Amino acid sequence: AQSVTQLDSQVPVFEEAPVELRCNYSSSVSVYLFWYVQYPNQGLQLLLKYLSGSTLVKGINGFEAEFNKSQTSFHLRKPSVHISDTAEYFCAVKGGTSYGKLTFGQGTILTVHP
Amino acid sequence: DTAVSQTPKYLVTQMGNDKSIKCEQNLGHDTMYWYKQDSKKFLKIMFSYNNKELIINETVPNRFSPKSPDKAHLNLHINSLELGDSAVYFCASSQEAGHGYTFGSGTRLTVV
Repeated sequence: AQSVTQLDSQVPVFEEAPVELRCNYSSSVSVYLFWYVQYPNQGLQLLLKYLSGSTLVKGINGFEAEFNKSQTSFHLRKPSVHISDTAEYFCAVKGGTSYGKLTFGQGTILTVHP
Repeated sequence: DTAVSQTPKYLVTQMGNDKSIKCEQNLGHDTMYWYKQDSKKFLKIMFSYNNKELIINETVPNRFSPKSPDKAHLNLHINSLELGDSAVYFCASSQEAGHGYTFGSGTRLTVV
């Protein structure tokens, strides 16, 4: 079984400040890890993913995440946020089988204030 | 061209009715999914099909029945709708395990 915990339900931050959204996972098999973003009344868009190799992965919109196997974490970071980054962010894990289901965390609402 | 398209985008219906949501993907993916996002934004998988074959069937009431006429389509039929079925339903598709999913824009179902 696999599970994902996003440690913060809401993260308020001022524009141009750095931000970190925390994600921890548990799984009995090797995993693939993802971050998705959902803007209001829209679907989910893939920000970035970790499959293997370098533990630091870069995604769209200036976001990056670091896979830490020992801490079973996959935190999302951005050095300087914009108002347009206001959205809900979901961390997700998928088991390493071809048909492994994507299990989502509870989501973190990022609100960027001017 | 929309990669994963769902129709309708909004659906308001009365309790007890039967309704269907359609999903089509033009990405050539082999696997399609239905997810339910509740009022607290929690996303939970309902079903998954691979090449028209059901491979994931989570604990979902029998009133929900997926149908996949071909690998590009996965429809969701719901019988005897209940208030608790109100949610946003997302269709998604994927090709391989590591590629993540491509999501549709969702269908907001409201049961009154």
